[in-house]
Amino acid sequence: NAGVTQTPKFQVLKTGQSMTLQCAQDMNHEYMSWYRQDPGMGLRLIHYSVGAGITDQGEVPNGYNVSRSTTEDFPLRLLSAAPSQTSVYFCASSDTSGGSYNEQFFGPGTRLTVL
Amino acid sequence: TQLLEQSPQFLSIQEGENLTVYCNSSSVFSSLQWYRQEPGEGPVLLVTVVTGGEVKKLKRLTFQFGDARKDSSLHITAAQPGDTGLYLCAGDNFGNEKLTFGTGTRLTIIP
Repeated sequence: NAGVTQTPKFQVLKTGQSMTLQCAQDMNHEYMSWYRQDPGMGLRLIHYSVGAGITDQGEVPNGYNVSRSTTEDFPLRLLSAAPSQTSVYFCASSDTSGGSYNEQFFGPGTRLTVL
Repeated sequence: TQLLEQSPQFLSIQEGENLTVYCNSSSVFSSLQWYRQEPGEGPVLLVTVVTGGEVKKLKRLTFQFGDARKDSSLHITAAQPGDTGLYLCAGDNFGNEKLTFGTGTRLTIIP
């Protein structure tokens, strides 16, 4: 049971390039989400999904796209990278059964630098 | 947008000392979670508090949820170097599938 996996672990992009951050979970969780972490700002929600085929915007969605074609995978796409998107990105999943206060399981993160 | 402010932002103390970290908001949350994050890793859940006034203990860590469910605190007794990390609180807004994370407290325990 690998939990939540993310690839790549590190990435350097030039301004204007596009890329996809991969996220997969093997816990059959319906809920998945993407956060970015910047110094002094905690974790900010980018996009989330409550199940396959359903996605919604979080607090900071601009410049990012997501899709959820399977329960396991939730990729995050940067359309045209900007230096402001330099950050550490975390994918998380949780079991939505049994109530609203469910534990979020996080991946190890992707450290992205945009030059 | 709901905000969760944590204080202090940084805390560095000697091994064996006690400390308290605070998580405050002007909004009411249905539950409050505390996570610890170590360098190069994702956050890991420590505890969830769901009832106003609730106190939960996890070995040397004591978590309290405010009576009005707007604030929470984490108290560590006899801190150890293994307690070093980034502590994050996160509020659940009555099941709307979004967690609001606090700004974080970076704790360093000096041996």
